[in-house]
Amino acid sequence: DSGVTQTPKHLITATGQRVTLRCSPRSGDLSVYWYQQSLDQGLQFLIQYYNGEERAKGNILERFSAQQFPDLHSELNLSSLELGDSALYFCASSPTGSETYEQYFGPGTRLTVT
Amino acid sequence: GDSVTQMEGPVTLSEEAFLTINCTYTATGYPSLFWYVQYPGEGLQLLLKATKADDKGSNKGFEATYRKETTSFHLEKGSVQVSDSAVYFCAPVNDYKLSFGAGTTVTVRA
Repeated sequence: DSGVTQTPKHLITATGQRVTLRCSPRSGDLSVYWYQQSLDQGLQFLIQYYNGEERAKGNILERFSAQQFPDLHSELNLSSLELGDSALYFCASSPTGSETYEQYFGPGTRLTVT
Repeated sequence: GDSVTQMEGPVTLSEEAFLTINCTYTATGYPSLFWYVQYPGEGLQLLLKATKADDKGSNKGFEATYRKETTSFHLEKGSVQVSDSAVYFCAPVNDYKLSFGAGTTVTVRA
């Protein structure tokens, strides 16, 4: 158990809908990262927050957005969902934003868009 | 941008065989390098890391050495076990972003 929790574990929704994925980092970790894992794209970095502020952005679509709240939990919002958004979404956390620190991954949320 | 090339899988081995998974990367500067492992049905977990040239990361019998001159970070284990069956990801980090390779699926048979 990494100490990172993600809810829900599974989510099934229809095209065009909007969903929110939630992540609670390990106690004391200030940085939260979001990743998408799909069969065709592999594992891709989406976005990072550090202590409430956006720090780095990867291949995140404009239909997707994220935020980190004062209690350090984070939410990833996916809107106007398409079939291709079906994937496993991972959240990870680390103590700081330092690149030398490992990231601790949650178990993931499996999103299925029908 | 940064990119990672990992040895194509899947790789199937017998117990106690030697495992090597090649990883090369392109990056600006000198990134920290990580190997993550994903066991079936689980999230990723760090296997080992190296933060500067010639550093050797090691854990659970796995080793990898940061080779700046060849921009490589090959993963090795001398004697694999069935419990090592998993997907292995090479990942340099630069500018706070982990860039994952495609992953190498390893299956170890008893």
